[in-house]
Amino acid sequence: EIVLTQSPATLSLSPGERASLSCRASQSVRSSLAWYQHNPGQAPRLLIYDASNRATGIPARFSGSGSGTDFTLTISSLEPEDFAVYYCQQRNDVISFGQGTRLEIK
Amino acid sequence: QVQLQESGPGLVKPSETLSLTCTVSGGSMRSSYWSWIRQPQGKRLEWIGYIFDNGSPKYNPSLKSRATISVDTSKQQFSLRLSSVTAADTAVYYCAKVKGWLEVFENWGQGTLVTVSS
Repeated sequence: EIVLTQSPATLSLSPGERASLSCRASQSVRSSLAWYQHNPGQAPRLLIYDASNRATGIPARFSGSGSGTDFTLTISSLEPEDFAVYYCQQRNDVISFGQGTRLEIK
Repeated sequence: QVQLQESGPGLVKPSETLSLTCTVSGGSMRSSYWSWIRQPQGKRLEWIGYIFDNGSPKYNPSLKSRATISVDTSKQQFSLRLSSVTAADTAVYYCAKVKGWLEVFENWGQGTLVTVSS
């Protein structure tokens, strides 16, 4: 089983700032990593797949990078609607998710 | 844009079978994979399994064969049955559409809370 560890658990930033969220895999997942945004009570939203491909309709301020075991989701300039919980997910082995990073307003 | 909506009992007794249905609207179920995912409170998301429009399900081995996913494209629905439930199966259950063959989830329902309690 591949375990995904996200850091930090909580990230406090202000609108307009740059956010960098990390996801580390317990073994290589090649580029088979996705990122999701989730606001509680709403449906999660796919942001990035295969490490760096933006999903349909996702703004260009969201970008993904990395391969192997270390991945980063970057939000270049935070908008008010970006404050949410973010999850990574791998599909290289049995599908698994990270524990999430909460992005909160500072 | 495909929309998904989960439905089913919010309370299930221990040792019984949990049954949920996902209704798909805004697009055809044909030639797509459909999935169930759950999240116990305070824990990470857990993939349960997925199914193609003609059957052929795949499951998370951690569920030890308790899960069964079926599909009825004529009704635009797919379903989850989870047998022999315990309190550990209490969670928000989501249905989702898989993006092509990529095993990522491009559309999700809002989720439904299922509590296992006597």
